[in-house]
Amino acid sequence: NAGVTQTPKFRILKIGQSMTLQCTQDMNHNYMYWYRQDPGMGLKLIYYSVGAGITDKGEVPNGYNVSRSTTEDFPLRLELAAPSQTSVYFCASSKGAIGNYGYTFGSGTRLTVV
Amino acid sequence: GQQLNQSPQSMFIQEGEDVSMNCTSSSIFNTWLWYKQDPGEGPVLLIALYKAGELTSNGRLTAQFGITRKDSFLNISASIPSDVGIYFCAGAASTSGTYKYIFGTGTRLKVLA
Repeated sequence: NAGVTQTPKFRILKIGQSMTLQCTQDMNHNYMYWYRQDPGMGLKLIYYSVGAGITDKGEVPNGYNVSRSTTEDFPLRLELAAPSQTSVYFCASSKGAIGNYGYTFGSGTRLTVV
Repeated sequence: GQQLNQSPQSMFIQEGEDVSMNCTSSSIFNTWLWYKQDPGEGPVLLIALYKAGELTSNGRLTAQFGITRKDSFLNISASIPSDVGIYFCAGAASTSGTYKYIFGTGTRLKVLA
């Protein structure tokens, strides 16, 4: 079982560059999420999606964009990378809404902006 | 916004000792989850709790949903070196339109052999 797959695992960006973090899941989950984890901190929600074609902002959406054209894929786009976006990014999915379903996380993308 | 406080932030214990950690919220939750994160990996779900007062075990791990619904506890019995990692709590309230969990800042556990 692949679960949630994130690519790349590591990336170094220069200030102002752009990139897309890829996330795909093979569990037919409707709900998908992007979190960032800063050193010594918990997970902060960037964006989430409750199904194909539907996305919404989380706690820290500034500087990011997402799209959800298929159930499987939920890419995260950084348009103008800034040092403040240096973090570890986790994608997650869940079968349904809160209350009865936990998240399945990917293994993360470690991004450094210099 | 909602906040979760986890304590302790970190702990060093001897192999074989029991471990206790807790998570408190500024508001009431209907669901509590406990995750473990190994170095370089994403968090993995350990235990899920859905009712106030609920006590659930997963091997040497036991978690409880506090009766006030504002806290949760995780205990690890007879710790072993592979228990090292970061333990996160996460909580959610089933208010309309909420589809996301709030995560604590984590408890970093180091087990000394």
